[in-house]
Amino acid sequence: GAGVSQSPSNKVTEKGKDVELRCDPISGHTALYWYRQSLGQGLEFLIYFQGNSAPDKSGLPSDRFSAERTGGSVSTLTIQRTQQEDSAVYLCASSFDVSSGNTIYFGEGSWLTVV
Amino acid sequence: AQSVTQLGSHVSVSEGALVLLRCNYSSSVPPYLFWYVQYPNQGLQLLLKYTTGATLVKGINGFEAEFKKSETSFHLTKPSAHMSDAAEYFCAVSDPNFGNEKLTFGTGTRLTIIP
Repeated sequence: GAGVSQSPSNKVTEKGKDVELRCDPISGHTALYWYRQSLGQGLEFLIYFQGNSAPDKSGLPSDRFSAERTGGSVSTLTIQRTQQEDSAVYLCASSFDVSSGNTIYFGEGSWLTVV
Repeated sequence: AQSVTQLGSHVSVSEGALVLLRCNYSSSVPPYLFWYVQYPNQGLQLLLKYTTGATLVKGINGFEAEFKKSETSFHLTKPSAHMSDAAEYFCAVSDPNFGNEKLTFGTGTRLTIIP
């Protein structure tokens, strides 16, 4: 597709359930990011993948959060045993060679509500 | 670690008036700087960015920003506000220690346009 695609766009889940959020980056983009946007707050960095390098997981808030990127393309963010404080918009972004000044493009987000 | 401060979580201006959204950053090495806009229920869209070269950067929709190293600022301006400018605006700074490939975002400024 032309842009970063995320699914589902909306997800309501019960506390304690696991959820998976999917991100399909722009074709050819080597870098992929996950951010979290909570109500009334800025964007919180979660994890960053660059090519075949080990991901930067420094932003993951707890061991309930994990992410993988298969084949250097599609990524899945998994939240285990969801809690109400996990309710937020999860934004995926991708880029190619940002160090050369290229742009990071964002998807429209996956809105997660934990009830 | 990089940090970004956006002064004023809410800014209101009259239609046709000057828009000024403030952004200050902390970095020992000049980073890349970005402004993103988020319209209701949408993802983030790049307004403009500074990487190198001219310090006055022009973006989409008539917005511009000036990188002032001495003030560690990257304020966003538009000479005449339009109703369609109502949105949330995020300033972001890259981290030179990570090849400028990781962005840290401010907490955002919600711009309201008064008819």
